Amino acid sequence: QQQVKQSPQSLIVQKGGISIINCAYENTAFDYFPWYQQFPGKGPALLIAIRPDVSEKKEGRFTISFNKSAKQFSLHIMDSQPGDSATYFCAAIKAAGNKLTFGGGTRVLVKP
Amino acid sequence: EPEVTQTPSHQVTQMGQEVILHCVPISNHLYFYWYRQILGQKVEFLVSFYNNEISEKSEIFDDQFSVERPDGSNFTLKIRSTKLEDSAMYFCASSEGVVQPQHFGDGTRLSIL
Repeated sequence: QQQVKQSPQSLIVQKGGISIINCAYENTAFDYFPWYQQFPGKGPALLIAIRPDVSEKKEGRFTISFNKSAKQFSLHIMDSQPGDSATYFCAAIKAAGNKLTFGGGTRVLVKP
Repeated sequence: EPEVTQTPSHQVTQMGQEVILHCVPISNHLYFYWYRQILGQKVEFLVSFYNNEISEKSEIFDDQFSVERPDGSNFTLKIRSTKLEDSAMYFCASSEGVVQPQHFGDGTRLSIL
């Protein structure tokens, strides 16, 4: 029940295309859902986050869609650029908690 | 922009030896964390620390592990007797409060020989 399942494991998209990464969770106690971007040799960097009272959040080319009833959330990267090539992790944290539970990661490659 | 800094970037240690990983969290943050990432796998929570005590720990964080905030700026992870399976990237993170963004350092690659 603590798991966060992420798909796909890898994704290849052309420059200018849309990258879509999906995550699903079981534990309804999760209350905060961040996405992290990780480049090789670097730590995860917070990209964008959402709370379950909001169905969508957009920051620049990055959008999170959240479906509370389905217990699913997704990251859309619009107008994907080669510099977006990285591994993306969804994560979740319980209300009043501080332990991040990560998904398995998606390696995104944007081809020029 | 303030950042979490970790040292060393790479630590090579013989099995059975003690190792201490160092972190300097963001200065106004109150919550501190250690995570690890075995090569090719997902990031796993180890421990969280607040007000000079452990607030939560995972099954991985057994008696061989300990954390300490020896002064006002440093946060350390100690592994007493390292095993081969401790080889991983260890990330330190910090946040202002609970259910707040956690900011990660660039990690220490621990290699156990």
